[in-house]
Order: sequence, then C-alpha cells, then structure tokens
Amino acid sequence: AQSVTQLGSHVSVSEGALVLLRCNYSSSVPPYLFWYVQYPNQGLQLLLKYTSAATLVKGINGFEAEFKKSETSFHLTKPSAHMSDAAEYFCAVTEKTSYDKVIFGPGTSLSVIP
Amino acid sequence: EAQVTQNPRYLITVTGKKLTVTCSQNMNHEYMSWYRQDPGLGLRQIYYSMNVEVTDKGDVPEGYKVSRKEKRNFPLILESPSPNQTSLYFCASSQRVNTGELFFGEGSRLTVL
Repeated sequence: AQSVTQLGSHVSVSEGALVLLRCNYSSSVPPYLFWYVQYPNQGLQLLLKYTSAATLVKGINGFEAEFKKSETSFHLTKPSAHMSDAAEYFCAVTEKTSYDKVIFGPGTSLSVIP
Repeated sequence: EAQVTQNPRYLITVTGKKLTVTCSQNMNHEYMSWYRQDPGLGLRQIYYSMNVEVTDKGDVPEGYKVSRKEKRNFPLILESPSPNQTSLYFCASSQRVNTGELFFGEGSRLTVL
C-alpha cells in the first residue's frame, strides 16, 4: 500500500535560516506529490504540487520542493525562514492510476525561533 | 468566495448521542471527502464521494456514515459516537483529486465524553 513518511515530527529553525522538511514516499508508480500547510486553527491549504512536469516545483510563500525519483523523495525547502512560517506541514501523494485517494504523511510541526 | 464550510466548529457530546457534521462547498466540485486528524497520525480518510449518490469507504470508516444527495453537501453522521471518535475532522473537496488541489474546511473539533 502507498505510504508517506516525514522525517521529524518537530523541526525548529532560527529566523532567517534554511528550512528543510523531509518527505519520502513508497510507490512503484511515480506519483503526484503535494505539500500542504496548516496554520493554527485552520484547515490545510496547498503549498505546491508535482504532477510530472518540472522536477523542481515552486510554491507559495517562497517554498519549493524537488522530486527525486531515485530517492523516492520530495523534500520541502525555503532559503530563509520567517516567523509566519510556523505551522504544520503535510506531504501527500496520489498514484497516477488512482483517482480517489490522497495519502497524507503524519506531518511536521515547524517552529521558527526569533 | 470559494470555500468549504463545516458546522459545527466545536462540539462536546456524550457517548451514544447521534450527531451530524455538515459540509458544504460552493465550487461545484465533484469530489468530496472526510478526514480525521489525530496527533502523530496525520490525516486519515473516513469516506469520500466521487459524485452525487456515489460514496465509498476510506481507511477508517467504522462508526461513521455519509450521504451525497446534492453535489454541494456531504454530511458526516456519527450514529452512536464513542470516545475514540474524539478528533479533529476536516471536510475537503476537489475538482480532480489526483492532480488537483484539495480545498479544506476549517475543521470541526469533536469531543465525545
């Protein structure tokens, strides 16, 4: 069965430092991949998605992610963290042959230290 | 404004007392889904619907029911709630789930005593 792992349930970075949130997936068929962000007391919203075009995907708020098929990874990065980036981040995947399910990872909580 | 609306946002109830969480979207999306969010487990799918009158089980459907009589509405029904259904629930919709964006409601926090 398809699964998504996110290394590190909690990540802390200093303001201005690099943000790196890790995501690995298990799939025999290259999937579509997503990163969602959840701010406190809100629903999830899409940060970015990979749907088999360019392997480096740029999203909102300065975030980007790179699809690496050989490593089955889709890590999320941002060059310089801002206080407003503090939130829960979820990696998600659908298989190209499946039209009915999005599988979410367990989430990574990002804290930004002033 | 495009949105997914859930009600109630917060609810405390007792074991066995039937309740319904409503979900409505104004984007004419065909796909709708319910998730529950629990610490350390991420989001787990409860039920989903590909279109009107078409519903199917997700990963954790036990203890829940849904219906899709109209395209815009997808209520989640707990016939006899139990404490293990205490959770944060999200409704989401999408025009094309495998490549498109899921639009989420703001969540409904349910506590079953």
